[in-house]
Amino acid sequence: GAVVSQHPSRVICKSGTSVKIECRSLDFQATTMFWYRQFPKQSLMLMATSNEGSKATYEQGVEKDKFLINHASLTLSTLTVTSAHPEDSSFYICSAPNNEQFFGPGTRLTVL
Amino acid sequence: GENVEQHPSTLSVQEGDSAVIKCTYSDSASNYFPWYKQELGKRPQLIIDIRSNVGEKKDQRIAVTLNKTAKHFSLHITETQPEDSAVYFCAARISNFGNEKLTFGTGTRLTIIP
Repeated sequence: GAVVSQHPSRVICKSGTSVKIECRSLDFQATTMFWYRQFPKQSLMLMATSNEGSKATYEQGVEKDKFLINHASLTLSTLTVTSAHPEDSSFYICSAPNNEQFFGPGTRLTVL
Repeated sequence: GENVEQHPSTLSVQEGDSAVIKCTYSDSASNYFPWYKQELGKRPQLIIDIRSNVGEKKDQRIAVTLNKTAKHFSLHITETQPEDSAVYFCAARISNFGNEKLTFGTGTRLTIIP
């Protein structure tokens, strides 16, 4: 099946810094990618839809200026968590559709 | 928007018994219903899916049923094994002009007791 990679797998940062997470579709092109956040023992919550060549679409309650999304090419979307705070600590997962949804392996973000 | 409810939140069954997880959705326009298995710290893995033009689908020990009228769908796992222990999520999607957005249920933590 199709492969989606994510980098980094884990990141620890200080409060107030910014963190960039990359999501790549390795063997197919994705005009759309999705970014989810998953807190411990909770479900995946869609944060935003990343659209190649246009602005991302954010879900209600997600701050677009805090979670910057750039869909730079047909195989790459990036999520930047700006001015990260401890409450942003979570598991961030991207996905890309290719008939079905293919998920990246996730990024564990810990903000100290 | 779409709202997906999932029950139960936790489920323990004896090895060899069957497990059933149920989901309901709110938007009658939803037409695709996947089920995912997620192990701790890992990505969700698609285990089975069903489209709205089908009432039931089976793949070895796993089956999914869909009742469009009642807007609910269920996952059935038979002859459960310890490796079936994981968190399972249902999801619903409206395919509309290329929109592939999934709405997830709240998850069910399944524990298989040896």
